[in-house]
Amino acid sequence: DAGVTQSPTHLIKTRGQQVTLRCSPKSGHDTVSWYQQALGQGPQFIFQYYEEEERQRGNFPDRFSGHQFPNYSSELNVNALLLGDSALYLCASSLDGVREKLFFGSGTQLSVL
Amino acid sequence: AQSVAQPEDQVNVAEGNPLTVKCTYSVSGNPYLFWYVQYPNRGLQFLLKYITGDNLVKGSYGFEAEFNKSQTSFHLKKPSALVSDSALYFCAVTMGASNNRKLIWGLGTSLAVNP
Repeated sequence: DAGVTQSPTHLIKTRGQQVTLRCSPKSGHDTVSWYQQALGQGPQFIFQYYEEEERQRGNFPDRFSGHQFPNYSSELNVNALLLGDSALYLCASSLDGVREKLFFGSGTQLSVL
Repeated sequence: AQSVAQPEDQVNVAEGNPLTVKCTYSVSGNPYLFWYVQYPNRGLQFLLKYITGDNLVKGSYGFEAEFNKSQTSFHLKKPSALVSDSALYFCAVTMGASNNRKLIWGLGTSLAVNP
């Protein structure tokens, strides 16, 4: 049983560009959350998707958007990239419910030059 | 403001000695509490959680944590540390109304277990 898979593992972009990150949840999971982790920091919650809808959102600008597909996989899109967007982007899947533990992918390391 | 604090950026312990990684929180209501571990260049892995019931929770890899409501703490412990326990540890706590709970994270504690 594959766990959470994310692609690509590394990405280099320049300021102003747009990027799409992808996530496949653990089999049987219907909820996907995205986090941004800057170097030396804890994960910062971006948003959560359930049943193809954005259910919750953290304090991130509208440049950050996402999507969840019928097979529960998800994408994170970031427009107009800034240097400060450089970070490790983590996808986590879970069963529905805040009591449930999160299963994380290994992340996508995004560098914005 | 609701928050989670991990007061120690780094904890150093000798192999075989007991270890404690501290977590305190300030949230309203009855939170759910979690510990996750992050190994280098990896995503986070779940260790244990407290939802309700017995204050002492046992988790993966021999770790346990004690929920202390009066002190609003949820410290992670292990009786005998291994070098392989060296990693970054995160405490996370739910906050918000029951129909809109979110998970907030501490900044992490780097654990170094010395041989």
